[in-house]
Amino acid sequence: AQKVTQAQTEISVVEKEDVTLDCVYETRDTTYYLFWYKQPPSGELVFLIRRNSFDEQNEISGRYSWNFQKSTSSFNFTITASQVVDSAVYFCALSEAPGNTGKLIFGQGTTLQVKP
Amino acid sequence: DVKVTQSSRYLVKRTGEKVFLECVQDMDHENMFWYRQDPGLGLRLIYFSYDVKMKEKGDIPEGYSVSREKKERFSLILESASTNQTSMYLCASSSSGSSYEQYFGPGTRLTVT
Repeated sequence: AQKVTQAQTEISVVEKEDVTLDCVYETRDTTYYLFWYKQPPSGELVFLIRRNSFDEQNEISGRYSWNFQKSTSSFNFTITASQVVDSAVYFCALSEAPGNTGKLIFGQGTTLQVKP
Repeated sequence: DVKVTQSSRYLVKRTGEKVFLECVQDMDHENMFWYRQDPGLGLRLIYFSYDVKMKEKGDIPEGYSVSREKKERFSLILESASTNQTSMYLCASSSSGSSYEQYFGPGTRLTVT
């Protein structure tokens, strides 16, 4: 069965600290996609990144970076020099398999609080 | 820019009422989804539609139905609202296929009293 686990329910850091959000997934499919979404207090989920299972290169976008490791089935998200605006709920998601349904399996979410 | 809109941000209904939640997307997406979000449970899929008039049950369809008469509109119906359906409801849309991200609406916070 497919599953996404975000073991950290809540994380609290002080501004400018680095923080890593963990995501571990389970799938038997060889081709799959992983996603990260941000849900700020306004409520709307915002797409951050998509990674396919054949591309294990780490990705950096400004203060955000993602570490994808198939060997450990993990797709972790790091925010460098966190800011108050990073406070949000972050979701990791996995494309459902088999088939090409477009459905996503979401983790439970990690609430990040960045204090000034 | 993809735009997904939901008819209400906040809604208060009484137990037993029939409730309609509307979702409209403007990007000609084939797929549309309804989720509910509850603390500690993440997002749970209620129903999914991959084409007009086509629908599929998600993980928690009990007590809900859906309607998709036009490609851009996907409605969630609570036939007889109950207090345990108090939740945040999120609509999303995407292109067909597993490689595409979903785009979400702002959500409707429904309270059933």
